[in-house]
Formats: sequence, C-alpha cells, structure tokens
Amino acid sequence: GAGVSQSPSNKVTEKGKDVELRCDPISGHTALYWYRQSLGQGLEFLIYFQGNSAPDKSGLPSDRFSAERTGGSVSTLTIQRTQQEDSAVYLCASSSDPGTGYGYTFGSGTRLTVV
Amino acid sequence: RKEVEQDPGPFNVPEGATVAFNCTYSNSASQSFFWYRQDCRKEPKLLMSVYSSGNEDGRFTAQLNRASQYISLLIRDSKLSDSATYLCVAFTDYKLSFGAGTTVTVRA
Repeated sequence: GAGVSQSPSNKVTEKGKDVELRCDPISGHTALYWYRQSLGQGLEFLIYFQGNSAPDKSGLPSDRFSAERTGGSVSTLTIQRTQQEDSAVYLCASSSDPGTGYGYTFGSGTRLTVV
Repeated sequence: RKEVEQDPGPFNVPEGATVAFNCTYSNSASQSFFWYRQDCRKEPKLLMSVYSSGNEDGRFTAQLNRASQYISLLIRDSKLSDSATYLCVAFTDYKLSFGAGTTVTVRA
C-alpha cells in the first residue's frame, strides 16, 4: 500500500483480556518497528524486525508482550492479560533503509484503552 | 538516563516570532539526527535531518554539535500552522530514539 496501515485504530478492552494489534508495512520495506507512546510522553521502542526475525526485542516491557512478523510483511503485536498501564498509542513504522535512519514511515497508530 | 532529553516547553509565541529550542543526546555513537513533528493525536512525521554544518529548510534551521551532544531547532517567522510537538531524534545502529517532545503553540 501507499503507507503503513495499522488496525484497529482504536481498541477498548477490559483488564485481563488479550489484544492483538496489526501492522501492514509499506511493500518492500524489510525493517519494521513497534513503538509505544503514553500520554504526554515520547515514543518508547518496543521491538525491531528485519525480515521475519527480531534481532532486538529489548523494549518489550514484560513477557505479556509478544510480536511476530510473517512473510516479511504483516506484523502482529499481542498483549496478554492487559493491565491499565498498557493504555497507550501503539505505533508501527517501516523502513527500506534501516542502516541510516532515513526513510522511516509511521502508521497512524492503535489507541489502546484498558478499562 | 533517557537517550534523548528535551525541554518540554510549552513555548507560546505570537505569529511572526522566532522560537528556538534544543535537546541533548547521551549516546556518542549515535550516527544521525532528526527533528520530527507530531500534531495532536497524529503520527510523527519527519521535519528535517540535522547536520554538524547546520542546515535550513525554509523557515527552519537545525544544528548539531557533536562535541557537546546538543541539537537545536530554530523556527523563524512563526505561522499558526507551526503549532505542534517537535520531537528530537537520534539514530543508533538500526533504531530511532525519541525525546519526549517540545510543544510549540503559535498564537494569532
């Protein structure tokens, strides 16, 4: 597609439920990133994919968080047993040139609210 | 310690004014630097890259000082449409690290 697509755009879930967030990157972009942005905060790195592998998962806050990427394309971020502190905007970005810092495109994010 | 630290502001300036703000980064191995702009409830978008020699893009001027690990952004002749949060970004290896942002409001 023309840009990075994320779904759903908004998700309200009850505490303790599992959620899945989807990211469809720009076609041909080998690098994919997940970030989290809490209210009034900067973007917090979660995980980096190069192709289907994740060489850096260091930003995942707990073992309740996991992510996968299939076919070098779509990625899913899963949060199990959601907690209120998981409420944030989850942003996905893709890049064709992860070695330089240029060419990153962000999706419009999924706003997650845990009630 | 955060990788990128910014003055959160807010900076509230009249149209036509000049506003400047900065950030510092902690990792001396960072390779490239950027300013992103984020409008309310929107995704970040690249505003401009930052170079040691300084660079301009219209009314925007960015500067990098590697010795002091300091990055600045200056906006001249502010427009109402410049109201946004400006994110300072450092790139290291394969990852962008973001500051918390500086909020700028331009008033009529």
